[in-house]
Amino acid sequence: SAVISQKPSRDICQRGTSLTIQCQVDSQVTMMFWYRQQPGQSLTLIATANQGSEATYESGFVIDKFPISRPNLTFSTLTVSNMSPEDSSIYLCSVWQADTEAFFGQGTRLTVV
Amino acid sequence: QKEVEQNSGPLSVPEGAIASLNCTYSDRGSQSFFWYRQYSGKSPELIMFIYSNGDKEDGRFTAQLNKASQYVSLLIRDSQPSDSATYLCAVNPPNDYKLSFGAGTTVTVRA
Repeated sequence: SAVISQKPSRDICQRGTSLTIQCQVDSQVTMMFWYRQQPGQSLTLIATANQGSEATYESGFVIDKFPISRPNLTFSTLTVSNMSPEDSSIYLCSVWQADTEAFFGQGTRLTVV
Repeated sequence: QKEVEQNSGPLSVPEGAIASLNCTYSDRGSQSFFWYRQYSGKSPELIMFIYSNGDKEDGRFTAQLNKASQYVSLLIRDSQPSDSATYLCAVNPPNDYKLSFGAGTTVTVRA
């Protein structure tokens, strides 16, 4: 399976600041996604990270709050901007391999104080 | 109606028993179905995926898919304490790679 590395694994941030999360894959992948898992909840898709173009956001998520970059087929970043305590969640990147299996990075546990 | 629904937990089973997890989905055109295991504080780990009606077995795990009933299940045979985790059902629509997740079922295997 694809090896997905996320950084940082966890962080505690002050409200009003921004955090950029990195996702690095050990092979080129076409489809890359960012999910959020709020405490005690299941996963919710934030956006599709498109290589060379703007990300495609799901309902309830906007680019100003969650800007995403995808400069190539192995790397993406998600920024959580102007954070509030409600942004405290686990953020996960996900990739598909061989168009059949979807794998997740180890996640970034964000706490906003 | 939620896109993906899982049987409410928590589910407690004795060691060595069979744990049965159920999942229903609303989009009849859904094409791929996934089961993930998530330990507390960890990210989801893919256990199995299934595309075709019927059973798919991998070790102690069996996934069962019935597209007519829009139902997918996961059986864990010979349950072990290490199987104690939350199990997430995920579905993707036709021609799309976005996953919709159920709320998850927490399984506890009693030694």
